[in-house]
Amino acid sequence: GENVEQHPSTLSVQEGDSAVIKCTYSDSASNYFPWYKQELGKGPQLIIDIRSNVGEKKDQRIAVTLNKTAKHFSLHITETQPEDSAVYFCAATVGNQFYFGTGTSLTVIP
Amino acid sequence: DVKVTQSSRYLVKRTGEKVFLECVQDMDHENMFWYRQDPGLGLRLIYFSYDVKMKEKGDIPEGYSVSREKKERFSLILESASTNQTSMYLCASSLASPYEQYFGPGTRLTVT
Repeated sequence: GENVEQHPSTLSVQEGDSAVIKCTYSDSASNYFPWYKQELGKGPQLIIDIRSNVGEKKDQRIAVTLNKTAKHFSLHITETQPEDSAVYFCAATVGNQFYFGTGTSLTVIP
Repeated sequence: DVKVTQSSRYLVKRTGEKVFLECVQDMDHENMFWYRQDPGLGLRLIYFSYDVKMKEKGDIPEGYSVSREKKERFSLILESASTNQTSMYLCASSLASPYEQYFGPGTRLTVT
């Protein structure tokens, strides 16, 4: 099956700085790549997604890039704020199944 | 807004007990999923269902079964709970694949 690796596992940034989280996947059939944010005590919530026919997508302070040739995709958060502190998960999708990365705990220091 | 609800936020059960975790979604979604979440391992798929009475094994189905008698409800069953099933269990639903999965708040199960 698909194997998704996510780095780093923890990330601390100063408020206002940028944060980058990277994921790689193994199955070239993967065609949908969502990013989820999980706050303490809550279920994961989609923050942005990208499909395999697109190289980049942006939504306000959040952007995702996809390199299909290298099989990696990244989440970029600019102008970080304390409320961005959470655990972030990437995923790659093959058919019905989502394969999740192991998560990145982001801390934004005020 | 899509709402996915899970029957319990916290559950404590004894080894050997039969455990039912219930999940209900209110958006007429076709697909429903059960994951377990453990530190350092991310979310791992236990079972999913793409239609009533249909089910497919995920990556870690051993020790679990599921039931989907109605479109909006998907149940996870631990036939004989064991301590290594202590975990956070997350239910999700999606309209189709591959599209956004909406997650419930999770059930933290402790088996003693």
